[in-house]
Amino acid sequence: DAGVTQSPTHLIKTRGQQVTLRCSPKSGHDTVSWYQQALGQGPQFIFQYYEEEERQRGNFPDRFSGHQFPNYSSELNVNALLLGDSALYLCASSLDGTGGYYGYTFGSGTRLTVV
Amino acid sequence: DAKTTQPPSMDCAEGRAANLPCNHSTISGNEYVYWYRQIHSQGPQYIIHGLKNNETNEMASLIITEDRKSSTLILPHATLRDTAVYYCIVSLLYSGGGADGLTFGKGTHLIIQP
Repeated sequence: DAGVTQSPTHLIKTRGQQVTLRCSPKSGHDTVSWYQQALGQGPQFIFQYYEEEERQRGNFPDRFSGHQFPNYSSELNVNALLLGDSALYLCASSLDGTGGYYGYTFGSGTRLTVV
Repeated sequence: DAKTTQPPSMDCAEGRAANLPCNHSTISGNEYVYWYRQIHSQGPQYIIHGLKNNETNEMASLIITEDRKSSTLILPHATLRDTAVYYCIVSLLYSGGGADGLTFGKGTHLIIQP
């Protein structure tokens, strides 16, 4: 049973560019959350998607946007990249209504480097 | 800001019990305590959660003090594979089982020594 799959695993972008990261949730899961993890820090919540809508959002600027598709997969888009956007981006999935009971399943992340 | 305080690092001998403390003095009555861990180069992994009673599963035990201001995660027989950063998180658990986005702190880096 495949867990959460993220692509690409590594990415290098230039300041000012735009980037799209992709996530396929664990089979049977319908809720996807995105987190940013800077080096040496804990993950920071970006937003959560359910039924193709953004349901909850953390303290991130509008440069960060997302999308969820009918098959529950999701994309994270970041516009006008800054050097400070360099981080590990994690995707987490759950079956709606169970993330609190059974926890979220995380992928291994996409390492984004902005130069 | 994270609502929890954890020591930045701890050592434990292989085969011994690892006891990881967490302070959450501002926890509200309807917030749960969750523990996740993150092994190097992987995403976080859910371990256990609880409200006020002690909890145990196949991975660990969670002991929450009566006043709920602190808790301890216990790994009963630590192995080298338990070396990881352990995060203590407080979060609401909704009646349907859903949960908010998690607020991670810096966690405790647990190092299991052979």
